Amino acid sequence: QSALTQPASISGSPGQSITISCAGTSTDIGSSNLVSWYQQHPGKAPKLLIHDVSDRPSGVSYRFSASKSANTASLTISGLQAEDEADYYCSLYSNTGPWIFGGGTKVTVL
Amino acid sequence: DVPLVESGGGLVKPGGSLRLSCVGSGFTFTDTWMNWVRQAPGKGLEWVGRIKSKSDGGTRHYAAPVTGRFTISRDDSTNTLYLQMDSLRTEDTAMYFCTSSNYGYFWGQGTLVTVSS
Repeated sequence: QSALTQPASISGSPGQSITISCAGTSTDIGSSNLVSWYQQHPGKAPKLLIHDVSDRPSGVSYRFSASKSANTASLTISGLQAEDEADYYCSLYSNTGPWIFGGGTKVTVL
Repeated sequence: DVPLVESGGGLVKPGGSLRLSCVGSGFTFTDTWMNWVRQAPGKGLEWVGRIKSKSDGGTRHYAAPVTGRFTISRDDSTNTLYLQMDSLRTEDTAMYFCTSSNYGYFWGQGTLVTVSS
């Protein structure tokens, strides 16, 4: 399986909403609900934001939401804040196969 | 309490070996699938391998680049996950994170492995 495709960077102003896409194929994202998203600040460990396409763990801000359509998953950050400036990764996990990550998207808050 | 704490990283020469450890706390380690994920300097996340819980068979899976060189094991009596890395290559240089569950519910702070002569 090849890596999932994310835009290299996205920027937005405080208060705006931005959406990060994660493109796969009909044989990976298109046929699975095991999609997750992570936030990583510089020098820190990744933090789980979303699992199973759109489930948000307790403690994760409601401003983070996610969905999937056909072969593309998306993460939306609403009400963009300075603390949201970080790298974001999508992934497709599995019970038996490899855990595939996207290349990452750097979010800049203008 | 920090749920996952890695240790064991360091500088090693190409062809050498290193064993990483990851101690879990605050969750039922015995019932939890565990993964290793690495991140080369300035690069993205790369899955290394997983080990299922013993109740799910304790099955291990590895990423292609490390198959045959790395071995994942667990000691549920001490809530410890291990990554034995042999025949290390320069391209194995990375921060190594242990993560819990199938999708990384908890992440450790990482331990840095540098492979260089």
